[in-house]
Order: sequence, then structure tokens, then C-alpha cells
Amino acid sequence: RKEVEQDPGPFNVPEGATVAFNCTYSNSASQSFFWYRQDCRKEPKLLMSVYSSGNEDGRFTAQLNRASQYISLLIRDSKLSDSATYLCVVNVGGNKLVFGAGTILRVKS
Amino acid sequence: DAGVTQSPTHLIKTRGQQVTLRCSPISGHKSVSWYQQVLGQGPQFIFQYYEKEERGRGNFPDRFSARQFPNYSSELNVNALLLGDSALYLCASSPRGGVNYEQYFGPGTRLTVT
Repeated sequence: RKEVEQDPGPFNVPEGATVAFNCTYSNSASQSFFWYRQDCRKEPKLLMSVYSSGNEDGRFTAQLNRASQYISLLIRDSKLSDSATYLCVVNVGGNKLVFGAGTILRVKS
Repeated sequence: DAGVTQSPTHLIKTRGQQVTLRCSPISGHKSVSWYQQVLGQGPQFIFQYYEKEERGRGNFPDRFSARQFPNYSSELNVNALLLGDSALYLCASSPRGGVNYEQYFGPGTRLTVT
């Protein structure tokens, strides 16, 4: 089983739609979780950290479910500019971050 | 303030050669991590350095090595290059050690091994 798994997509959604991605992780001792965004041929950029209590930043909401070992990202009112690859990132211990392979989102007008 | 800078931007090498990639972190950041990203995959962790000491290592062969200098810049060395080493090499800096903090990525060095 991979340490971090994501549905590769692509998720094709119209502008204004709500879309959600899940990411599962295998190490129950994992302590920190992040969502990064990567545009085509660019470097990854932090979208948000994921806290146990969940967190929200504008149209973006991240949740952590430790019992089922997954994190989620919800994007409301999708914009064309949200089109990107969304990377789930997990600290698996030993100062090691593991990135998922990413989920591709395409928002269409 | 300048972000993370990496050099060179692109590099073409032949199998068996050696390569050195360079990274300068954001001013004030003391931690540098290196990642390899192959097309279609997420970045894979190679090393983390904090205060000039190795603090984490991924599952890469000993052909990969790195170091961090007193000014917190870093070099990644890869010996005996293989075709499979062709990838985007990303450097990320962070203000503190450990990986529980935001990583700020540089634009990467695209290495092609022929």
C-alpha cells in the first residue's frame, strides 16, 4: 500500500461547482498534513495546512479524519484559476514528507 | 524579498557523469529540503538539512548526496547518472527544522540524462 494515495482525476467541473478530493495515508502515526497546489511546469505552493479540527480559508476547506486515515479538500464556487494539480502531503515521521501523486482539477467555463 | 533560487535552470548530462545542483533558501530560513519530481508524480523527498546537519533522508541510493553551507545554501550531488535520474529537482526552504512547517519551493532544476 502506498504511503499517500490520491485519485489522479482529472476532475472536470464547470465554473461555480463544488468539488472535493480525498487523500488516504497509511501511517496512523502521521502528525502533520498539508495540501499543496502545483500549476503546470511550476513549483508546488502551499494551499493550506490541515488541522485536527479542520480549517477553512475562503472557498477552501480541509478536513482530517484520523479514524479512517484520510484528509479532504473541498473547493466551493470553483474558478477557472483553480485549475491545477492538488498535492496531498503527509509527514510520515523521521522528518520525511510524502507527497501524493496529485489530483488534476480542470475548471471549465 | 527573493524567494528560493536554484541553479542551473536546465541541465543535460550523459549517463555516468556527475552533477551538482545549487539552492539558496529564503533569507532567514535555515532548513533546506531536496525533492525529485518525475513527470506525472508528486515530489519525492531526498534530503532535509537544518543548521548544516542532515535531519532526514528519503529512499535514494548513495549516489545522491547533499550538504548545507554556513550561509544555509545547499548543494545536491548525484554521481554516476542513470537515465532514470532525469527529473525536476526541487529545493524547498523552511524557517525551522523538521517538516511540520510550510515548505517554500524554488522553481527547480530540470535534469535530462541522455
